[in-house]
Amino acid sequence: EAQVTQNPRYLITVTGKKLTVTCSQNMNHEYMSWYRQDPGLGLRQIYYSMNVEVTDKGDVPEGYKVSRKEKRNFPLILESPSPNQTSLYFCASSLGRGGYGYTFGSGTRLTVV
Amino acid sequence: GQQVMQIPQYQHVQEGEDFTTYCNSSTTLSNIQWYKQRPGGHPVFLIQLVKSGEVKKQKRLTFQFGEAKKNSSLHITATQTTDVGTYFCAGGLQTSYDKVIFGPGTSLSVIP
Repeated sequence: EAQVTQNPRYLITVTGKKLTVTCSQNMNHEYMSWYRQDPGLGLRQIYYSMNVEVTDKGDVPEGYKVSRKEKRNFPLILESPSPNQTSLYFCASSLGRGGYGYTFGSGTRLTVV
Repeated sequence: GQQVMQIPQYQHVQEGEDFTTYCNSSTTLSNIQWYKQRPGGHPVFLIQLVKSGEVKKQKRLTFQFGEAKKNSSLHITATQTTDVGTYFCAGGLQTSYDKVIFGPGTSLSVIP
């Protein structure tokens, strides 16, 4: 089944403790992206990747890092999480940045205390 | 900056009534996509419109792309409880290397 797999689904952590949210897709998509979803603010793009080793900042990249060493994986790294990063995070993949529908993962609900 | 807006923010309808959500962009779009997110779920791609004035249908859902490619609408005929969720439009920006901007969404509640 074509899908984007995110882990974990839920995560509660403390301020400053580094964490990684994994994202993997099995559709051989070149484009992958991370979004955060907050009430009233919709989906805001954090980082995106056009292909292996090609990443770029989205609209809200502060406090986040990403890497794209393999085509299928696009982990999101929070080096020093803060409470304002408490949010619902979605990974998405697509054949390209624009002009193609995005397939979203099931989401990761992160709480930073 | 470039924005994609949606109205209404919330809509409560009686089951069987029609529903429409509108999407408006401050700039011309290369395409418009629509997604549905069920409560507790993730956005799911519904459709993409590319041509000016394009109309597409999926069963009870009708999608339109405006002539100027700056607005779009999603109309649901005779809503059902399975239609509950948030509907997002996402516009592809012609002038920004295909950047896609999501609208804030319209949350639909259907009263049985």
